[in-house]
Amino acid sequence: ELKVEQNPLFLSMQEGKNYTIYCNYSTTSDRLYWYRQDPGKSLESLFVLLSNGAVKQEGRLMASLDTKARLSTLHITAAVHDLSATYFCYQGGSEKLVFGKGTKLTVNP
Amino acid sequence: DTGVSQNPRHKITKRGQNVTFRCDPISEHNRLYWYRQTLGQGPEFLTYFQNEAQLEKSRLLSDRFSAERPKGSFSTLEIQRTEQGDSAMYLCASSLGSRQPQHFGDGTRLSIL
Repeated sequence: ELKVEQNPLFLSMQEGKNYTIYCNYSTTSDRLYWYRQDPGKSLESLFVLLSNGAVKQEGRLMASLDTKARLSTLHITAAVHDLSATYFCYQGGSEKLVFGKGTKLTVNP
Repeated sequence: DTGVSQNPRHKITKRGQNVTFRCDPISEHNRLYWYRQTLGQGPEFLTYFQNEAQLEKSRLLSDRFSAERPKGSFSTLEIQRTEQGDSAMYLCASSLGSRQPQHFGDGTRLSIL
């Protein structure tokens, strides 16, 4: 059974701090996606990681993929309030697309 | 760029009634996906289409649920004999091929009285 596990599920951090969100998945995949969802809104694509060792950066967010470890990370650098949202990873290795439960990030002033 | 459009945005109905939702994907996208999301959870895959062909259905999609994409453009998701447990946000997404990210619509929120 395909499983995608994110941790932590809840993250409260102060502005200016760094932190990493982890996404572990259970089956071999060369595709991993990160999405952001604001409360009451739909999902917005952040990153597409298509190969082992892939690293993508956008502003204060950086995502990486290690297909051998079946692990993707989303690193937050010097967090700001605008990053408060729920972040989802999902595995696209098969057509049964599986989302993680999401990490709800709250950045406090 | 007219993103993915879903209608209606909200639907309130009584238990036992049938409901139908519509999704208009981004025009050049050949793949269309339906998900269900409940509060505090990630989206759960329901089904997807490549053009007009429905290629995969989740076990979550009971026989009360049916989805169509008749001409490979818009899609409808129908739920018959709605139950309380059907209350959720129903999300539609589309993509250009399997390796491109999906673009999500704003969803249809279904409330069962």
